Formats: sequence, structure tokens, C-alpha cells
Amino acid sequence: QQQVKQSPQSLIVQKGGIPIINCAYENTAFDYFPWYQQFPGKGPALLIAIRPDVSEKKEGRFTISFNKSAKQFSLHIMDSQPGDSATYFCAAATQGGSEKLVFGKGTKLTVNP
Amino acid sequence: DTGVSQDPRHKITKRGQNVTFRCDPISEHNRLYWYRQTLGQGPEFLTYFQNEAQLEKSRLLSDRFSAERPKGSFSTLEIQRTEQGDSAMYLCASSFQENTEAFFGQGTRLTVV
Repeated sequence: QQQVKQSPQSLIVQKGGIPIINCAYENTAFDYFPWYQQFPGKGPALLIAIRPDVSEKKEGRFTISFNKSAKQFSLHIMDSQPGDSATYFCAAATQGGSEKLVFGKGTKLTVNP
Repeated sequence: DTGVSQDPRHKITKRGQNVTFRCDPISEHNRLYWYRQTLGQGPEFLTYFQNEAQLEKSRLLSDRFSAERPKGSFSTLEIQRTEQGDSAMYLCASSFQENTEAFFGQGTRLTVV
């Protein structure tokens, strides 16, 4: 049973575009939702995270939108750059912490120059 | 470099051999996690430690796998009698305590031939 469903699997945008990656979860006990960025051959790097008491969080060019009633959250990347080309993973965890993260399957983003 | 450190970065082994990986967490992080990531998938939780205590193990962690964190600092993950299905990236992460972000290492890429 996949607890966090991520879409799309891959995404291609032009430089300056705003790619949007969506995730949906099933477990209502989840209360911590981070996004990770991973480059080939590297470990995932934490980008931004949100807890369900807010509907939106922005850090630099990255924004998380969170819809608790729909059990969905999404990542928006403003003014995307070729250097943003990577695989992005959403994740979820319970107890407000980062133990036992449940990851989505990832979205491979390509930003063309 | 004060991030999570993993050694070795790459390991090629013959089927049936035992392998051991090491993870050094960020200093003063008392939580340490092991994940496994196969090609094209998100990381999957294996186990985690609070100081030297192993608090949870996933069903993915068969009897051939054992993890230790003897002094509450570095951790080792051993796989006995490796199988081709064990080929994956093994990721270590650490966090300061519960309810805080987890930071991942670069991973150890295992190839079983």
C-alpha cells in the first residue's frame, strides 16, 4: 500500500517556468511533510517542510501548498533554473518528526535553458 | 565537512559475501536512520536509533540485516549472505531529536554480482 502518491513521474519546463509537483497521502496521522531534492549519485537534501497548522510555506523560490481536507500538498518552484534539474521527493511522517519518513516515488524535473 | 558521512561510497560484492557499511551522523544528533533506495524509487525506511537504542525495524530488514550503534555515535549496517536483490543505495540520516529535520548522507551504493 503506497501511503504517499506523487505525480507527475517526470516534468520538463523551460527556464523561468513554474513546475508544480503534487502529492497525496492517506494516513491522517501524518503531521510533517518535507520535500527533498536529489541529484544523481547523491543523498536527498531537505528543501522545505510544512506542518498541517499552515496552508502555505515559502522559502526562497520554493513554496509548499497544503490542503489538509483533501490530504494533498504540492511543491512550486518559482523562476526555475537549469540547476534545479533533479529528482524531487515528497515525504510524510507522524509525531511531528522525521523518524520513519514515508517517501513518494519521486518526480524527475528537467529545466531546459 | 560537518554533514552525515557514509563509508564506503561504493561497494561491489559477490553474491553470498557479507558487507558492512558505516555511517557517522552530524555531531550531537542523537537520532540515526537507515533507508534503502532502489533505482527510480523513493527511499524506504529500514531502522532507526535513539542514541544506542534501536527503536524500530522495518519488515524490509530481514534476518540477514543487522544494524548497530554501540556508543550512540556512528552506526554500522551489515548484510550477511548478500543477494542480488540487495543491490541498492543505502542511505543514512540523522536528526538532533524527535520533531526535527533529518539530514541525509551521500549514501553507499551496493552492487551484488
